[in-house]
Amino acid sequence: GAVVSQHPSRVICKSGTSVKIECRSLDFQATTMFWYRQFPKKSLMLMATSNEGSKATYEQGVEKDKFLINHASLTLSTLTVTSAHPEDSSFYICSARDSRQGWPADTQYFGPGTRLTVL
Amino acid sequence: DAKTTQPPSMDCAEGRAANLPCNHSTISGNEYVYWYRQIHSQGPQYIIHGLKNNETNEMASLIITEDRKSSTLILPHATLRDTAVYYCIVRAVNQAGTALIFGKGTTLSVSS
Repeated sequence: GAVVSQHPSRVICKSGTSVKIECRSLDFQATTMFWYRQFPKKSLMLMATSNEGSKATYEQGVEKDKFLINHASLTLSTLTVTSAHPEDSSFYICSARDSRQGWPADTQYFGPGTRLTVL
Repeated sequence: DAKTTQPPSMDCAEGRAANLPCNHSTISGNEYVYWYRQIHSQGPQYIIHGLKNNETNEMASLIITEDRKSSTLILPHATLRDTAVYYCIVRAVNQAGTALIFGKGTTLSVSS
């Protein structure tokens, strides 16, 4: 099956620092990856869509200068939370679209998530 | 994408079948039904998807009504590890490459 990894799984940082989260598709190429954020006892909220080799598309209300997304290869996308503050503390989850199956049955596979705590 | 409605919570005894309903009365002909689940503090896990025929895989069965306005996810023999939030999502075929949008889902609690 398709596997997506995230690193780190958990990070604690001081307010004002930047944190980078990596998302990798391990056994398939992902031209499109997605980043979500999830607050406690809430559902997943889409933050942005990342296409390999092009700029990410951000959802309304998501600050693109604060949440920098880079999708430099077909297996790696990174999310950098710049100048993190306590309100950025959340569970960040990436997913990758497995296009090998072919449209319309392509499926999104999710990483295990990264828990960010900003002190 | 069509809107889905799911009960907020359900309980199931271990070893029994868990039947999770989803209403999608405004579904269009080109929209698939997807089911994912999220176990606490993990990323969502793909379960199954279908268009109009019933589907079965090693994890579950998906029963879609003939008018496609509702569906039921069936876990035939629920275990404690099936305790999770289950999401029913509808997405059009021409939106391949777009993100899945999650609603509130159903919290399934399996107890011994």
